[in-house]
Amino acid sequence: GQQLNQSPQSMFIQEGEDVSMNCTSSSIFNTWLWYKQDPGEGPVLLIALYKAGELTSNGRLTAQFGITRKDSFLNISASIPSDVGIYFCAGRYSGGGADGLTFGKGTHLIIQP
Amino acid sequence: KAGVTQTPRYLIKTRGQQVTLSCSPISGHRSVSWYQQTPGQGLQFLFEYFSETQRNKGNFPGRFSGRQFSNSRSEMNVSTLELGDSALYLCASSLGVWNEQFFGPGTRLTVL
Repeated sequence: GQQLNQSPQSMFIQEGEDVSMNCTSSSIFNTWLWYKQDPGEGPVLLIALYKAGELTSNGRLTAQFGITRKDSFLNISASIPSDVGIYFCAGRYSGGGADGLTFGKGTHLIIQP
Repeated sequence: KAGVTQTPRYLIKTRGQQVTLSCSPISGHRSVSWYQQTPGQGLQFLFEYFSETQRNKGNFPGRFSGRQFSNSRSEMNVSTLELGDSALYLCASSLGVWNEQFFGPGTRLTVL
């Protein structure tokens, strides 16, 4: 089946720093999604990408759908304490025999005071 | 607009029992997907329903089943529970199959 490699696994940063994380796949995807999950809660959708090369922003968050359709990145600018949590990338292929979302293992963001 | 709701939020069962989890999608959403989240395997796709029909199914044994009702509400059932079924079960709804999915808070199932 399809697999997503998400990196880094965890990040320890200072408040105010910029953050960058990415996902790569051996298979192509038609859709890339980025979610954030807080403890005890379900994932919350941050950004959805539908076209190769697409660059989309949501406040301090920016994500891009890679040209090859096999990768995506998420940047967070000027991090603040509420950015702490686990960030997941998810991809979906809409070709024949489509599956549900395939998720990366997550990037655990920790902000040091 | 109310989000995705899941009931119950927490559940404790013993091996061999069966369990039914419920999901109410966002109003107007016709597609519901189910995922299992564990520390070891992460988030894994179980199945997806649209207009009461199962469209896709992940790589899980037949003990895992689901259904969707005419009002788009969905249930999933796990029979003959095993210890390894302990997980957070997440439901996600979307307008259609290819639209972005919005998740509920999940049901935490513990199998003893």
